Amino acid sequence: GENVEQHPSTLSVQEGDSAVIKCTYSDSASNYFPWYKQELGKRPQLIIDIRSNVGEKKDQRIAVTLNKTAKHFSLHITETQPEDSAVYFCAASTNGNQFYFGTGTSLTVIP
Amino acid sequence: DTGVSQDPRHKITKRGQNVTFRCDPISEHNRLYWYRQTLGQGPEFLTYFQNEAQLEKSRLLSDRFSAERPKGSFSTLEIQRTEQGDSAMYLCASSLSGGRETQYFGPGTRLLVL
Repeated sequence: GENVEQHPSTLSVQEGDSAVIKCTYSDSASNYFPWYKQELGKRPQLIIDIRSNVGEKKDQRIAVTLNKTAKHFSLHITETQPEDSAVYFCAASTNGNQFYFGTGTSLTVIP
Repeated sequence: DTGVSQDPRHKITKRGQNVTFRCDPISEHNRLYWYRQTLGQGPEFLTYFQNEAQLEKSRLLSDRFSAERPKGSFSTLEIQRTEQGDSAMYLCASSLSGGRETQYFGPGTRLLVL
């Protein structure tokens, strides 16, 4: 089955700096890669996703890049704000059949 | 509220008891997923349905766990003979199929087995 690894497990950045979270996957059949933000005690919420036919996608301060050859994808948050503090999860799926999640990155943005 | 809903939100039970959770997906979503999440971990896939059919089930899932989606709308997850290790947050998510896999999660049911 698929194995998704996520790094780092914790990340602290100064407000206004950029944050990068990286994930690798093992199954070359995976073709859909969402990223979720989860605040304490709340449900995971989709923040951005990318499909395997696209190398990069951007939505305001958030971007995701995908390298199919190397089987890794990354989340980039620019101009970080304190409200970006949360746990971020990457996931990989083949056609939405099963979703395999990374172990999460706890991001702290220091004002 | 047109999002995914789950009931109950919290459940405390004694070891050995059976519990059942319910999930109501977004109405037009034909796919429904169940996950388990423990503290500090990502959601762990349990099973998923497309309409009424249960298409995938985690090999790690004990036979004490069973899920149904009888009419292709709401789903139930039952845990029989609960154990302390079953204590976790149980999340439900729903999506469309056919290249529209974006999942929306419910608020979860937090289970505590004493």
